[in-house]
Amino acid sequence: QPVLTQSSSASASLGSSVKLTCTLSSGHSSYIIAWHQHQPGMAPRYLMKLEGDGTYNKGSGVPDRFSGSSSGADRYLTISNLQSEDEADYYCETWDSDTRVFGGGTKLTVL
Amino acid sequence: EVQLVESGGGLVKPGGSLRLSCAASGFTFSSYTMIWVRQAPGKGLECVSSISSGGGYIYQADSVKGRFTISRDNAQNALYLQMNSLRAEDTALYFCARALAVAGTDSWGQGTLVTVSS
Repeated sequence: QPVLTQSSSASASLGSSVKLTCTLSSGHSSYIIAWHQHQPGMAPRYLMKLEGDGTYNKGSGVPDRFSGSSSGADRYLTISNLQSEDEADYYCETWDSDTRVFGGGTKLTVL
Repeated sequence: EVQLVESGGGLVKPGGSLRLSCAASGFTFSSYTMIWVRQAPGKGLECVSSISSGGGYIYQADSVKGRFTISRDNAQNALYLQMNSLRAEDTALYFCARALAVAGTDSWGQGTLVTVSS
């Protein structure tokens, strides 16, 4: 089954942009992924579906500041004009048949 | 609006059992694969089990195989997770979620906390 690799942490300043990376394992570089935002004590929030060609479809109500892109086995989540409420854990997810796989998550700190 | 509300969590001794429930509303429950995802303290997300829309296909993570059983009642719009032979490492926040076939897990509940401790 696929494996997703994420950096454990990232930080960026209020009002700046940050690009988070999720890397698919060998042999799975064409897989579609999803990005999720998770703040402590809250339900995770679906941000978008992201395909290998960089096409993305955002979930309902997700701000325009969130965008996705792809390069090879890498899937990116870019957050522009960072706000304090963007401080959260970000997870990527993929699937194979009915198996759901999550990356280890990236903890984003907004400075 | 899609709503998923988990219940049934609590404190249980090692070796004990719990049954988690998830009440779904706001969508045609019988049309979707549903999953249980957990987050242990300080850890990331892990899909422990999934069940297809009609219940005919079930996935279980190796970590829970033979101990946990997922089921659903499409007439009652409900998802369940029967957890037996619980271990300390099963301590986690358990989320019920709706899984789309080609777009990821698009709706989540708030979670129910399971603590396994003597």
